[in-house]
Amino acid sequence: NAGVTQTPKFQVLKTGQSMTLQCAQDMNHNSMYWYRQDPGMGLRLIYYSASEGTTDKGEVPNGYNVSRLNKREFSLRLESAAPSQTSVYFCASSADQNTEAFFGQGTRLTVV
Amino acid sequence: AQSVTQLGSHVSVSEGALVLLRCNYSSSVPPYLFWYVQYPNQGLQLLLKYTTGATLVKGINGFEAEFKKSETSFHLTKPSAHMSDAAEYFCAVKPQSGGSYIPTFGRGTSLIVHP
Repeated sequence: NAGVTQTPKFQVLKTGQSMTLQCAQDMNHNSMYWYRQDPGMGLRLIYYSASEGTTDKGEVPNGYNVSRLNKREFSLRLESAAPSQTSVYFCASSADQNTEAFFGQGTRLTVV
Repeated sequence: AQSVTQLGSHVSVSEGALVLLRCNYSSSVPPYLFWYVQYPNQGLQLLLKYTTGATLVKGINGFEAEFKKSETSFHLTKPSAHMSDAAEYFCAVKPQSGGSYIPTFGRGTSLIVHP
């Protein structure tokens, strides 16, 4: 059971560099989410995709873009990384409105 | 808009003592309610959830939670703490209707268990 798979697990970027965080789920879920986790702040929603072909902004979208490539994959792109984007990023998916979200193992990103 | 408040960023208990982690929500309509646990350097995993039916729900690892509509609460309890329960716990809500069913999370409570 793979569930939700995120790559990479760790990444160090220099300010201004770009990168894409990859996420794939094998549960045939409709909805996918990207969160960032910072100490004392809980999980904050960056972007979400309610279904294949749609994406919407969450609470903290600035500096990020997303692509729902197909039903399985939902990527998060940082075009020009900033130290404020140092965080742990989680991808999650859920089947429908009354079901729980399943999480990946996270990507720990440091921007120097 | 819905929101979740977890009282206490840290809760410290002795092994064998009662665990009580508090969660209150703000929503015009009672939402679906979830508790997740996060062990160090891992993702979140579901402990239990309330959607409909019995308001006392049982989850994994001996945890349970009770939905109290009048108090807008969904507190998590465990009768006897174990060292392995030390982790971060998150309460989350999803709206039952009228939206995109996005989970909203509380800020988390770190459970510390002393020998």
